[in-house]
Amino acid sequence: GEDVEQSLFLSVREGDSSVINCTYTDSSSTYLYWYKQEPGAGLQLLTYIFSNMDMKQDQRLTVLLNKKDKHLSLRIADTQTGDSAIYFCAETLSGYSTLTFGKGTMLLVSP
Amino acid sequence: GAGVSQSPSNKVTEKGKDVELRCDPISGHTALYWYRQSLGQGLEFLIYFQGNSAPDKSGLPSDRFSAERTGGSVSTLTIQRTQQEDSAVYLCASSLVGGGDEQFFGPGTRLTVL
Repeated sequence: GEDVEQSLFLSVREGDSSVINCTYTDSSSTYLYWYKQEPGAGLQLLTYIFSNMDMKQDQRLTVLLNKKDKHLSLRIADTQTGDSAIYFCAETLSGYSTLTFGKGTMLLVSP
Repeated sequence: GAGVSQSPSNKVTEKGKDVELRCDPISGHTALYWYRQSLGQGLEFLIYFQGNSAPDKSGLPSDRFSAERTGGSVSTLTIQRTQQEDSAVYLCASSLVGGGDEQFFGPGTRLTVL
């Protein structure tokens, strides 16, 4: 079966880079996603990457995918206090539409 | 246009009662998903609709849980004889066609079973 794992907590200072890591077990993942959840709010899709890519950059966000190690990371450059939230890694598998989520990483950005 | 909406935003109920949670997807989205977010379990998939049919119900935790979708639009998740372990935030999402395209999430319904 599929399993997505993330570290639970990350604390950084404003202006530093943040790197949130995720590992997954199913090699048939087709899409890998990063979602952001702010307190009391729903999930917001930040970015996604196709499984045949190894990197995607979108403004301050960089996603790296290592298929061999089944490792996904999200780098946030110049982290701001407004980036404080829970970040979820998620995958969809070939032929399936549903998302399998990790338990989320709480990012705390201090001034 | 409007995003995914869910009602109620909060629901407190007594153990053993039935509850209905509603989801209004984005207009024109054919795929609709229900997830549950609880402490310790994270985000779990419950059920997926394509149009009015549910090709994947594998995440429903027990036969007390059911869902329907009518007119290819509104969906209702029903929990019968609620238990305390049903307390969670129930999230609905919709996507244009399914199959991995972006899912847009509603704000969720926080269910508390006393």
